[in-house]
Amino acid sequence: EPEVTQTPSHQVTQMGQEVILRCVPISNHLYFYWYRQILGQKVEFLVSFYNNEISEKSEIFDDQFSVERPDGSNFTLKIRSTKLEDSAMYFCASSGGTGLSDTQYFGPGTRLTVL
Amino acid sequence: AQSVTQPDIHITVSEGASLELRCNYSYGATPYLFWYVQSPGQGLQLLLKYFSGDTLVQGIKGFEAEFKRSQSSFNLRKPSVHWSDAAEYFCAVGAYTDKLIFGTGTRLQVFP
Repeated sequence: EPEVTQTPSHQVTQMGQEVILRCVPISNHLYFYWYRQILGQKVEFLVSFYNNEISEKSEIFDDQFSVERPDGSNFTLKIRSTKLEDSAMYFCASSGGTGLSDTQYFGPGTRLTVL
Repeated sequence: AQSVTQPDIHITVSEGASLELRCNYSYGATPYLFWYVQSPGQGLQLLLKYFSGDTLVQGIKGFEAEFKRSQSSFNLRKPSVHWSDAAEYFCAVGAYTDKLIFGTGTRLQVFP
């Protein structure tokens, strides 16, 4: 069964450093998302992406964040200058956008630890 | 405002007992409703979803959920819980390709 994959599974970085989190969505999907979950809290929406541009972004998704689909398979989230409060689990999701019964499928997540 | 409320932060049940996890939502449009499960350190696995039609939906692992529009609820049930069901359960609402709005989750603990 097709699945969303994410790399790395765990990333440790120093405050102020740039990180890139990578995702490979399900191959025929058209809509892509990033969510994050701070430890012990609920899952929060960051950004959605369709047709090579951002569809919607949350208040969390400020100028420090960017997303890109550099080729036909990868979908990346870049944090330019990490802060301690960026420590969280980051989930990528994708959906087909093929009908009203669309479903978002989530990857296993990347745990980001900012020291 | 769009929101999902899961009033039970933590539920403990004995193995073999029945389970009901509550979810209430507030959403402007016709909601698409989901239940996801997250085991410790793992990602989010879709248990079931409701888009339209029959208000009682069946999911994986023996779970079911009932959509009640009048109560803005989408409660998750299982008739007999197994120890492997111990996890965090998230209710979410969205529409078509819109973002999902998650509840704060309910942690399920199962005693033998």
